[in-house]
Amino acid sequence: DAGITQSPRHKVTETGTPVTLRCHQTENHRYMYWYRQDPGHGLRLIHYSYGVKDTDKGEVSDGYSVSRSKTEDFLLTLESATSSQTSVYFCAISDGGTLLEQYFGPGTRLTVT
Amino acid sequence: LAKTTQPISMDSYEGQEVNITCSHNNIATNDYITWYQQFPSQGPRFIIQGYKTKVTNEVASLFIPADRKSSTLSLPRVSLSDTAVYYCLVGDNSRGRDDKIIFGKGTRLHILP
Repeated sequence: DAGITQSPRHKVTETGTPVTLRCHQTENHRYMYWYRQDPGHGLRLIHYSYGVKDTDKGEVSDGYSVSRSKTEDFLLTLESATSSQTSVYFCAISDGGTLLEQYFGPGTRLTVT
Repeated sequence: LAKTTQPISMDSYEGQEVNITCSHNNIATNDYITWYQQFPSQGPRFIIQGYKTKVTNEVASLFIPADRKSSTLSLPRVSLSDTAVYYCLVGDNSRGRDDKIIFGKGTRLHILP
């Protein structure tokens, strides 16, 4: 399995608090992604990165920001968490080859109360 | 990405061959067909990718007819551990289209003893 870890794995937080999720990879892959998965919606792309300090928005980026200061780390921040952001968050990586061949982390289950 | 249509759910029995078909009538010339598998509480796992005809690996086979408007993921001799959700993605593998990645709702495969 690709070396991808996510932290924390589970988190419960209150509405209005900031939350940062971390994705760490040991594969030296250039591309990194953040998705959220909700019942009935499949996976939806939040943000992605195509290199250090290079990021862009996905389908559902409102309310989220990202940062990538090192190749191995991609951070997802919820500046002020809302209940609608309760979800399972997955990080994925891919190399410079095929866009659609991605490797996913184990996920973070976030509950906003 | 091309729109895909796949069955919402399927049941099969252990030891059977399972075929999951994905329809993608508006597939473009540069599009590839990619399948993922997702077990409960885990991130999706890349299974197989193809462009035309047949692709086989240690996990599955992918059959793509000449018109490429559909594809079939074939799982030989399934076991209970193959119970999962299977996603079909169709799209251009070129970089610069990362924001167009869309996972649909997938096919929920249930293997019975």
